[in-house]
Amino acid sequence: EDKVVQSPLSLVVHEGDTVTLNCSYEVTNFRSLLWYKQEKKAPTFLFMLTSSGIEKKSGRLSSILDKKELFSILNITATQTGDSAIYLCAVLTWSGNKLVFGAGTILRVKS
Amino acid sequence: DVKVTQSSRYLVKRTGEKVFLECVQDMDHENMFWYRQDPGLGLRLIYFSYDVKMKEKGDIPEGYSVSREKKERFSLILESASTNQTSMYLCASKDRSEKTGELFFGEGSRLTVL
Repeated sequence: EDKVVQSPLSLVVHEGDTVTLNCSYEVTNFRSLLWYKQEKKAPTFLFMLTSSGIEKKSGRLSSILDKKELFSILNITATQTGDSAIYLCAVLTWSGNKLVFGAGTILRVKS
Repeated sequence: DVKVTQSSRYLVKRTGEKVFLECVQDMDHENMFWYRQDPGLGLRLIYFSYDVKMKEKGDIPEGYSVSREKKERFSLILESASTNQTSMYLCASKDRSEKTGELFFGEGSRLTVL
């Protein structure tokens, strides 16, 4: 059974801190890994990763994939209160046309 | 921009009632999905559809059915709602040829079953 595990499940930081969110996976026929951010509404797409070691970056957010160790991290530097959200990791496999999601990490940034 | 619209943001129903959750997308996507989201469990796939009148069970289809009569519309049906179906329901769509797997989500329907 395909499985995606995120850690921590929740964390609270202060503005300006740097956070690292983890996502590990055990799937058959890995195709790509995606990160989403979910505030009060629909999840919004952040990154898609398919190759090991290539960092994807968007402003203060960055992500990297390790296909040998089967994990990805999402880094957020200089956190702001607007970063407070649920961060979802999901994996797409070649054997199906659907995403397998982790439980999510709830991030709360305090001012 | 892709838009996925879920008709009801909040619903309150009684045990045993039949519930319809509607989802419409405007980008001519072949693939549509219904997930439920619960704290600590993440998003779990209920059903998905890769074409009109086609459907496949996801990981937790029990107690649910779906309908895809038109390409743009994917409905989730709870034949007899139960309290353990209280949850946030998310609809999503995806272009069949899109290689990254990116899903476009609706804003969710929060269902409470009393």
